[in-house]
Amino acid sequence: AQSVAQPEDQVNVAEGNPLTVKCTYSVSGNPYLFWYVQYPNRGLQFLLKYITGDNLVKGSYGFEAEFNKSQTSFHLKKPSALVSDSALYFCAVREPYGSSNTGKLIFGQGTTLQVKP
Amino acid sequence: DGGITQSPKYLFRKEGQNVTLSCEQNLNHDAMYWYRQDPGQGLRLIYYSQIVNDFQKGDIAEGYSVSREKKESFPLTVTSAQKNPTAFYLCASSITGTSGSWEQFFGPGTRLTVL
Repeated sequence: AQSVAQPEDQVNVAEGNPLTVKCTYSVSGNPYLFWYVQYPNRGLQFLLKYITGDNLVKGSYGFEAEFNKSQTSFHLKKPSALVSDSALYFCAVREPYGSSNTGKLIFGQGTTLQVKP
Repeated sequence: DGGITQSPKYLFRKEGQNVTLSCEQNLNHDAMYWYRQDPGQGLRLIYYSQIVNDFQKGDIAEGYSVSREKKESFPLTVTSAQKNPTAFYLCASSITGTSGSWEQFFGPGTRLTVL
């Protein structure tokens, strides 16, 4: 069965330092991977996705993510964190193509990013 | 939050009442989804619909019902059979078909509280 794991409930980083939010996945076939961000009492905002091609994907607000097939990881990164980056981050994988083709996303549990001034 | 609206933003329900949460999108997306979010549990799929007049149960459909009479609308009813309905409810939509990457776009959410 497909699954997504975010091993850290919370990540703390000082403003200006690089940040990494970890995500590992388990899915048969080629994964479609996504990162979303959620601010308090708001919906999820799409940050970036990996479909195919270059393993380093660039997204919104200066975020990027690196797809590593051998380690089945898709870690979210940013070279220099901002206090305004503090939020809840979700990694998600889409079901592989199959007879159902439902497009369902499987989400990780979320990681709270806290950026201190 | 794109072209997806959810109403109301806050909703209070008494024990034994059914309540309906609205979700409307103007993105011309075929697929729509309802999720429930509880603290520390991420998002859990309640129902989803890939096309008008068709929908499927997600992982936690018990105590909920939906309809999809129009492409733009996917209302969720929380029935009295749902024993612990207090949560944050999120609606999403996406394109479908093999040519799309199918990222989902989310509405702003409805916070439901049982009194």
